[in-house]
Amino acid sequence: DAGVIQSPRHEVTEMGQEVTLRCKPISGHDYLFWYRQTMMRGLELLIYFNNNVPIDDSGMPEDRFSAKMPNASFSTLKIQPSEPRDSAVYFCASSLQGAVLGANSPLHFGNGTRLTVT
Amino acid sequence: RKEVEQDPGPFNVPEGATVAFNCTYSNSASQSFFWYRQDCRKEPKLLMSVYSSGNEDGRFTAQLNRASQYISLLIRDSKLSDSATYLCVVNRRTALIFGKGTTLSVSS
Repeated sequence: DAGVIQSPRHEVTEMGQEVTLRCKPISGHDYLFWYRQTMMRGLELLIYFNNNVPIDDSGMPEDRFSAKMPNASFSTLKIQPSEPRDSAVYFCASSLQGAVLGANSPLHFGNGTRLTVT
Repeated sequence: RKEVEQDPGPFNVPEGATVAFNCTYSNSASQSFFWYRQDCRKEPKLLMSVYSSGNEDGRFTAQLNRASQYISLLIRDSKLSDSATYLCVVNRRTALIFGKGTTLSVSS
């Protein structure tokens, strides 16, 4: 099992540029989550999908952020235009059946993408 | 009020000490509760679930008080390898909401 795969591991970009983060969930997992982590705000839920359908995007900070899941094995999080305050570690996670089954369906996180916007 | 609140610490304890972390949550409809562990510059990983009756996993004991909306984690006989950030986690429907975490540093 390869686990959740995120790319790139690190991204450094200039303010105003478009940034695309990518995620491949664990095969067979029905839920995919995007989180953002900063020292100030901790780990924040941005959006999550069930069977490729967005369920809750209330955590997406602004219209500059968008996420898609075109198929069960791929998701993207796009920021356009990027701003310095977007600098954070972005985690993708997947689970078999969401939080319903508790520990029987834990979240598996990718290694994260460390984004720096200058 | 934040959905999940934790004392950020840091907690600095010697090896062998017992340490307890607390957490409160605001959503009375939450049904699933967990502690996750995050090592420095790594992804969070599930430590243990928290059940209403309380549960133990080796040196770790978790407890839940639904009436007070309060969760705790007790670590006995601390090891150097326990140094990490401990995240209190509560469900909101089928998603998991994380607290900011409590940092533990165990020294020899």
